[in-house]
Amino acid sequence: QKEVEQNSGPLSVPEGAIASLNCTYSDRGSQSFFWYRQYSGKSPELIMFIYSNGDKEDGRFTAQLNKASQYVSLLIRDSQPSDSATYLCAVFRGGADGLTFGKGTHLIIQP
Amino acid sequence: DTAVSQTPKYLVTQMGNDKSIKCEQNLGHDTMYWYKQDSKKFLKIMFSYNNKELIINETVPNRFSPKSPDKAHLNLHINSLELGDSAVYFCASATANEQFFGPGTRLTVL
Repeated sequence: QKEVEQNSGPLSVPEGAIASLNCTYSDRGSQSFFWYRQYSGKSPELIMFIYSNGDKEDGRFTAQLNKASQYVSLLIRDSQPSDSATYLCAVFRGGADGLTFGKGTHLIIQP
Repeated sequence: DTAVSQTPKYLVTQMGNDKSIKCEQNLGHDTMYWYKQDSKKFLKIMFSYNNKELIINETVPNRFSPKSPDKAHLNLHINSLELGDSAVYFCASATANEQFFGPGTRLTVL
């Protein structure tokens, strides 16, 4: 059974600091890895995707992937109060499979 | 010019009723999905459609039936609604690298 594990939080980070979100997955056949942000009452919004080992940076966000350890992380630099949301990790096996989501980490950025 | 739209946004109904949720995408994607997000915010896939063909059905009760009249639409029909069906249902449309989610339909079964 495919599983994606995340710490549900809440994770509280001071404004301006680095927020670090972690995720592990069980399916070694997973090919692509996604971080979605979801505000309360809204739909998930893609932040980043990554499919190669290493780091991928986009503005204040960096995704890190280690396939050997089956581990994905998201770093948010210079955290802002507007980053407060639930962050969902998702993995994709390929083809027409849907995404397998973790239960999300609730992030709170304290002003 | 909304990429993925769903109707209705809110749906309140009695147990035992039959209801439908509509989804449309204007992105030209071949693959569409239905996800259910329960009260604990856990988002889980229900169905995927690729070129109007059902690809997967993740142990969803057969009271739920996806219907796709064409590539741009994937509707969800639910028979004999139960209390446990209360959730937010998201439609999504996909490329190889990204899934675009609709705004969601909050279903409340009384």
